[in-house]
Amino acid sequence: EAGVTQFPSHSVIEKGQTVTLRCDPISGHDNLYWYRRVMGKEIKFLLHFVKESKQDESGMPNNRFLAERTGGTYSTLKVQPAELEDSGVYFCASSLDRGYSPLHFGNGTRLTVT
Amino acid sequence: KQEVTQIPAALSVPEGENLVLNCSFTDSAIYNLQWFRQDPGKGLTSLLLIQSSQREQTSGRLNASLDKSSGRSTLYIAASQPGDSATYLCAVNDYKLSFGAGTTVTVRA
Repeated sequence: EAGVTQFPSHSVIEKGQTVTLRCDPISGHDNLYWYRRVMGKEIKFLLHFVKESKQDESGMPNNRFLAERTGGTYSTLKVQPAELEDSGVYFCASSLDRGYSPLHFGNGTRLTVT
Repeated sequence: KQEVTQIPAALSVPEGENLVLNCSFTDSAIYNLQWFRQDPGKGLTSLLLIQSSQREQTSGRLNASLDKSSGRSTLYIAASQPGDSATYLCAVNDYKLSFGAGTTVTVRA
């Protein structure tokens, strides 16, 4: 089966610009998660979708971040306007069910804000 | 709030030696614990998943144990090889994964 796909793999933007990250989960996985690792820190949870519904967005840093999952398939994470501290690696993961199934991660998108 | 700690932060061993990686967590009300491997510039590869009701899980040279009551898990890698060099991450699932900072392993040929 195809794994979790993320693109772009790298993005370099200037402060104040907008960037949209995309994640395609494993087919059939209703649960989709976004995580982020900023320089020198642990990977941190951002939010969780079940199909198209946001179940938990407690990890979203502020309202400059907007995640969507239209139709319950792929998801996008938009950062607008980007700030320097948004630089890091953004990971997407998917799972069959919440709690018992393993999470499968994509390769991540490395975002650099200059 | 779940806190996950991994010790040691880095480990360097000669090829053939067994590896022992430790993970501790503060809240024992978890569904499962997952060990991942991350190579530089790559994503996370799932190695083992231990459900909260299990004591250990094995896959090839890898064995992971879980003591939920004491908030500890250990990943053992037998007969290490240079290809085992990577960062190993422990993640605790209490409805969302909480990650440790990782242990960076170097296996010297």
